[in-house]
Amino acid sequence: DAGVTQSPTHLIKTRGQHVTLRCSPISGHKSVSWYQQVLGQGPQFIFQYYEKEERGRGNFPDRFSARQFPNYSSELNVNALLLGDSALYLCASSVQGRVEKLFFGSGTQLSVL
Amino acid sequence: KQEVTQIPAALSVPEGENLVLNCSFTDSAIYNLQWFRQDPGKGLTSLLLIQSSQREQTSGRLNASLDKSSGRSTLYIAASQPGDSATYLCAVTSGSRLTFGEGTQLTVNP
Repeated sequence: DAGVTQSPTHLIKTRGQHVTLRCSPISGHKSVSWYQQVLGQGPQFIFQYYEKEERGRGNFPDRFSARQFPNYSSELNVNALLLGDSALYLCASSVQGRVEKLFFGSGTQLSVL
Repeated sequence: KQEVTQIPAALSVPEGENLVLNCSFTDSAIYNLQWFRQDPGKGLTSLLLIQSSQREQTSGRLNASLDKSSGRSTLYIAASQPGDSATYLCAVTSGSRLTFGEGTQLTVNP
């Protein structure tokens, strides 16, 4: 079975632009979570979705939004990009809404110039 | 607000040495604790998961312990190998989220 897949792997944007990151969970997993990892730091929680509903939101501005589709894949959207949004964005999936063992994708490296 | 601290931030050891990585957390109301490995620019690989009711978990050369009352966990790596070189992250689960430490960057020298 395929693991968690994220696309694209790398992305370069300029300040003020919009970006959409995509994630496909492991087959059978209904929960998707998004994390931001700035270089040299641990990942920070952004969102969790379970059965297409938002179950949790971290301390991120409203420029960050996400959604989950009927096939359990997910998109993370970031508007009005800032230089500080440059980071590795990680998607993780789990079977249920209550966080058990998380399986992480390889991430999308976003650079904002 | 949960805070997770990992000590040391970096560690360099010769091959074959046994080593201990430390993790502490401020709020003992956790669901579980996980240790992850991260290679440069890559995603996270789950190494061990300890439920809040458990004291330790073992996988091969890795052993993780959890003392929820004192807010501490340790990851013990036996007979370290150069392939163990990576960043090791500790994360505690509460509610719908994981709270991570900043990691310990481990280098095992041949």
